[in-house]
Amino acid sequence: DIVMTQSPDSLAVSLGERATINCKSSQSVLYNSNNKNYLGWYQQKPGQPPKLLIYWASTRESGVPDRFSGSGSGTDFTLTISSLQAEDVAVYYCQQYYNTPYTFGQGTKLEIK
Amino acid sequence: QVQLQESGPGLVKPSEILSLTCSVSGVSTSSYYWGWVRQPPGKGLEWIGDVYYTGSTNYNPSLKGRVTISGDTSKNHFSLELTSVTAADTAVYWCVRGRYFDLWGRGTLVTVSS
Repeated sequence: DIVMTQSPDSLAVSLGERATINCKSSQSVLYNSNNKNYLGWYQQKPGQPPKLLIYWASTRESGVPDRFSGSGSGTDFTLTISSLQAEDVAVYYCQQYYNTPYTFGQGTKLEIK
Repeated sequence: QVQLQESGPGLVKPSEILSLTCSVSGVSTSSYYWGWVRQPPGKGLEWIGDVYYTGSTNYNPSLKGRVTISGDTSKNHFSLELTSVTAADTAVYWCVRGRYFDLWGRGTLVTVSS
């Protein structure tokens, strides 16, 4: 199985500041034939299902604010929130869909400082 | 509007079978992968498995052969069966679309308890 490891486990950021969450995979999730990274990011608020934010490592899902961005390739990835809003308080997960079993990171809890 | 809706018992006895169905509206299940993800209370996310519209399936080996996912394109729904359940299978179960999961149901809490 591909192990996904996120850092940090929790993060407190002031409103309007940048938040950065990292995700590392135990093997590359870059498929060379199409040069795509099979990596997604999700936001989960209490009592709700996760919401897809980013897929192919850097493609923003429709309707997701542009303050959310994804970057990275191979085994190292980053989710950045450029200017933290109160509604961004949530747990964030990365997920690889390079091969089965699809696996998630352990989650990063984002709070307001 | 595309919607996924899980249905099934909220309480299952140990050693019995957990059965859930996901009803899909607004899009045909005759395309895409359709799967299940679960989350035990206070814990992280686990992919259970999926079914392609052709009927081919993929399962998480962690479930040790206890899982079956099937689809019925005529009814536009797909189903999950998990056998020999224990308390460790207590979780919120979601049905999802795709390999990255762009659509989620609202989720259903299944508790395994006698």
